[in-house]
Amino acid sequence: EVQLVESGGVLVQPGGSLRLSCAASGFTFSNYWMSWVRQAPGKGLEWVASIKQDESEKYYVDPVKGRFTISRDNAKNSLYLQMNSLRAEDTSLYYCMRGLRLGDSWGQGTLVTVSS
Amino acid sequence: DVVLTQSPLSLPVTLGQPASISCRSSQGLVHSDGNTYLNWFQQRPGQSPRRLIYQVSTRDSGVPDRFSGSGSGTDFTLKISRVETEDVGVFYCMQGTHWPFTFGPGTKVDIK
Repeated sequence: EVQLVESGGVLVQPGGSLRLSCAASGFTFSNYWMSWVRQAPGKGLEWVASIKQDESEKYYVDPVKGRFTISRDNAKNSLYLQMNSLRAEDTSLYYCMRGLRLGDSWGQGTLVTVSS
Repeated sequence: DVVLTQSPLSLPVTLGQPASISCRSSQGLVHSDGNTYLNWFQQRPGQSPRRLIYQVSTRDSGVPDRFSGSGSGTDFTLKISRVETEDVGVFYCMQGTHWPFTFGPGTKVDIK
């Protein structure tokens, strides 16, 4: 069974930094693109970033370019999202998702709150 | 960016009756590889999204056959043949053809 477990979400001040993690199990992690998707409280879904199996390709949506960095460690079956220069509008539930175009499995999410 | 427009945004339905959700794209969704990456997700209250349909019409394993997807080009539809209590939630279409990938605003389905 595919399992994706996110962690690292906390309350952080504007301008602060945070690293989210996603622990994957139940499948061969190194064979899949992985992505982060977020959902602001009571709002819809927004793609954040995606990373290829060997990290040779990474994609970001414009609002996070230059501030967020997606990475992975295939030896540890883990996905990461380094978030810098956080803004109030980054407040969201962040989901780890398997895949690029098809998004077939999601974690339960980790909540990031940016507030002073 | 590709804009996905869903209608209706709110859909009160009677148990056992059919329901239909439209998703219209601002651009065609046929990828250069020939596939159309239009997917449908259901988010039940308090839960993560789960995929129901991928590439327009292929139902995921374990998804009841009362769910079906159809469409082409820029117009797509998710249909529920007979709504059940467990279908309550928000349904999102999502395109994975043009970066940045985008989601529709969601259609909230509840029981009358």
